[in-house]
Formats: sequence, C-alpha cells, structure tokens
Amino acid sequence: SQQGEEDPQALSIQEGENATMNCSYKTSINNLQWYRQNSGRGLVHLILIRSNEREKHSGRLRVTLDTSKKSSSLLITASRAADTASYFCATDLYNFNKFYFGSGTKLNVKP
Amino acid sequence: DGGITQSPKYLFRKEGQNVTLSCEQNLNHDAMYWYRQDPGQGLRLIYYSQIVNDFQKGDIAEGYSVSREKKESFPLTVTSAQKNPTAFYLCASSIDPRGLYNEQFFGPGTRLTVL
Repeated sequence: SQQGEEDPQALSIQEGENATMNCSYKTSINNLQWYRQNSGRGLVHLILIRSNEREKHSGRLRVTLDTSKKSSSLLITASRAADTASYFCATDLYNFNKFYFGSGTKLNVKP
Repeated sequence: DGGITQSPKYLFRKEGQNVTLSCEQNLNHDAMYWYRQDPGQGLRLIYYSQIVNDFQKGDIAEGYSVSREKKESFPLTVTSAQKNPTAFYLCASSIDPRGLYNEQFFGPGTRLTVL
C-alpha cells in the first residue's frame, strides 16, 4: 500500500472559497512535499515541510504537519479558477532516497 | 533555460516492441527518477539513479530498463516483458542524491499507448 494518501479524492468549490486537502502517511518521514499537476502535464513543486516543522506558508498556500497523527493538510485560500488541478502529497521513507506519492485530490474551482 | 525535457510527447508501441523514452536535464542535478502514472492515480516509482553509472529499482521495475551513462541523461526502455505499458511516464530530477530536504523537478511527460 502507498505511503501517502490524500483526502478527499475530489473537491469542487466556487472561486474565492478556500480549499483544504489532507494527506495521511504510515511511517516516519524526513519531509513531506506537496505538488500540483495540471491535466496531462508534469508535476510542479509547491511546498516542502520538514518533520520538525508544524506549519509553512507560501503565498496563498498554507501547509500543516502533525507527525503524531502522521497527517498533513494543504489549504489554498481565496481560490481561483486557475487553481483547478490535481494535488499530490509526497513523502520519503525515513533514511531512504525514494518518494511516495498519493493518488491525489482533484480540485475543481468554478468561476 | 534550465529544465527537464522528455521526448517524445506521445509514443505508440506495437505488441512485442521495445521502446525508449528520453529524459534530459540541464539542471546539473545528481539524482534522476522515472515514474509511471495510470489514469486517476498517483505516481509509482520505476527506477532511480543517484549518480552516473548507478541506478536502483523502484517499486515497479519489472519490464523496464534504464541506463545512466551521462549526468544529464536517464533514458527508460519499456521492454516487451512489460505486460501493460500504456500509461503516462514522468521523469524527474533532484539536486540532492540523498533525497533529503529537496524538491523534485518534473519533465512534461510521455504518454505511451500500446496498439
């Protein structure tokens, strides 16, 4: 089974609303990353949060990490139609060099 | 312009054929990765390389092969042994071969279809 899993699988909101996506994982990690993928394209790195950090901001993005619950959340504030994409979390296995991606949350922001 | 390029964008393969997907980066990154993505799913690691002339199997390496003769290049061959190769293939690189505290840069992908 995969290391990271996102929830919900799909999310549809109106422009201007906030979008929250969650990621759960199973083992200890060094860091957790969030990526965005537009349909049929490669992934783009959004934000990296280290295991000793609890919250990180980047523009309209806010990521939290709770290592005791093995979970992370990505909040996109004041969403725009251009935010429509799939969002993936990626985790490493502690002391390994591989990343594990969840199956993603498909976000649709309606104008 | 620095980045990762993949070619071709679309590739069609007949049953029993081997095909090679190209991945080139000019970011001077040591680590490179190949992932497979099936519709509506996440990425699964096929192979990764931390340094020239060395590579490791990922979670779904069967039916695939790679080489890393140059730092800039990490081609993936999909062999006839891969029973269900139709998928979207993504190449990525990262600066830190230990995979710690670093982001991966992705290419635009190659969509492979078996006819």
